[in-house]
Amino acid sequence: DAKTTQPPSMDCAEGRAANLPCNHSTISGNEYVYWYRQIHSQGPQYIIHGLKNNETNEMASLIITEDRKSSTLILPHATLRDTAVYYCIVRPSNSNSGYALNFGKGTSLLVTP
Amino acid sequence: SAVISQKPSRDICQRGTSLTIQCQVDSQVTMMFWYRQQPGQSLTLIATANQGSEATYESGFVIDKFPISRPNLTFSTLTVSNMSPEDSSIYLCSVEDHRGRQFFGPGTRLTVL
Repeated sequence: DAKTTQPPSMDCAEGRAANLPCNHSTISGNEYVYWYRQIHSQGPQYIIHGLKNNETNEMASLIITEDRKSSTLILPHATLRDTAVYYCIVRPSNSNSGYALNFGKGTSLLVTP
Repeated sequence: SAVISQKPSRDICQRGTSLTIQCQVDSQVTMMFWYRQQPGQSLTLIATANQGSEATYESGFVIDKFPISRPNLTFSTLTVSNMSPEDSSIYLCSVEDHRGRQFFGPGTRLTVL
């Protein structure tokens, strides 16, 4: 699997957009970018994923650069409950193929009042 | 998304004993995964459990220490055998859907004295 690089921590003011970057310069053509987060003492939660086009859902937006070597997760209006560790993961395939997730250290996002 | 439950949610065990953790899913799934999260660390995959076949273990994890059962498409167990304090961790199961998204249980917090 391609490896990812994320900043270890970030702060964001409540109500502002949180932009979490991820570098995945060795990503392969068939690998997707997945984002998960883990709120303290809970299991990880799926947020969003994409291949090359930008994606948006009710939780967040995902912006992938044209060369696919980096991406940004955007939480448009961060709340205190968005305080969590955010993981950017690349993995092959977008199917039920049973590829386990390779969690790195992630970015610890602190949303402040 | 799948709804996953785990039992027990937490336990405190004595050195040398074994604990079996149960994972129940509300729908039939092919792939189930077991992860470990040691204190202050990220998640590490222990094994992949497919119904009707032997579990596939990651490097550093062996069947004698972490036997897994997968009797049907909605249930799996992970046993932590002959426990030592180093086994104190959160143990999580997850399942994958047809879009490659993984959904996690709430975790089992294990403390070994």
